[in-house]
Amino acid sequence: QVQLVQSGAEVKKPGASVKVSCKASGYTFTSYDINWVRQATGQGLEWMGWMNPNSGNTGYAQKFQGRVTMTRNTSISTAYMELSSLRSEDTAVYYCARGLVPYYYYMDVWGKGTTVTVSS
Amino acid sequence: SSELTQDPAVSVALGQTVRITCQGDSLRSYYASWYQQKPGQAPVLVIYGKNNRPSGIPDRFSGSSSGNTASLTITGAQAEDEADYYCNSRDSSGPRGVFGGGTKLTVL
Repeated sequence: QVQLVQSGAEVKKPGASVKVSCKASGYTFTSYDINWVRQATGQGLEWMGWMNPNSGNTGYAQKFQGRVTMTRNTSISTAYMELSSLRSEDTAVYYCARGLVPYYYYMDVWGKGTTVTVSS
Repeated sequence: SSELTQDPAVSVALGQTVRITCQGDSLRSYYASWYQQKPGQAPVLVIYGKNNRPSGIPDRFSGSSSGNTASLTITGAQAEDEADYYCNSRDSSGPRGVFGGGTKLTVL
């Protein structure tokens, strides 16, 4: 079945970076975009950006420009989201989600989420 | 960047019909998608585009759009429909996505 499996929980200190992985299975990885969405505890969903796994093209929310990098390794059908200069406000659950073609922002398959905690 | 505005909370009696709305300038150009999220779970896509339901989504869920407002309608709400609902769409200022703030649906 189609699924996205994310890496495990992370605890980071302020100023550090975190890299979350998202492994796709059950479909052709390069045929669908990947979005990254985060959710702080008790808060709403926040769209961070998208990546086209075929071309490597990306688009980031203005809020994260300069701090986020989305990459992929097509040989292992895995997408990555790296967030740098972490601060306490970045503590959240981070989701990857598959985007429907051609509308990447319609997200039909979601990973279970990766909890990132930023604390000194 | 665009913003999408949702009512924070809505309630409906069991078996009745409820409409959850989402407003934003980008909705004049792009259709919304809608997500259901239950506590401790990842969101689930329930409606996308003009009015499309992914496989497995009950047909009591439907979508519509007019002007700058998108709506998710649940006809005959069930207890299991109690959840947070989020709209999202494309940002009208560029190739970026944007979510509404979410609506907490209570089924009475």
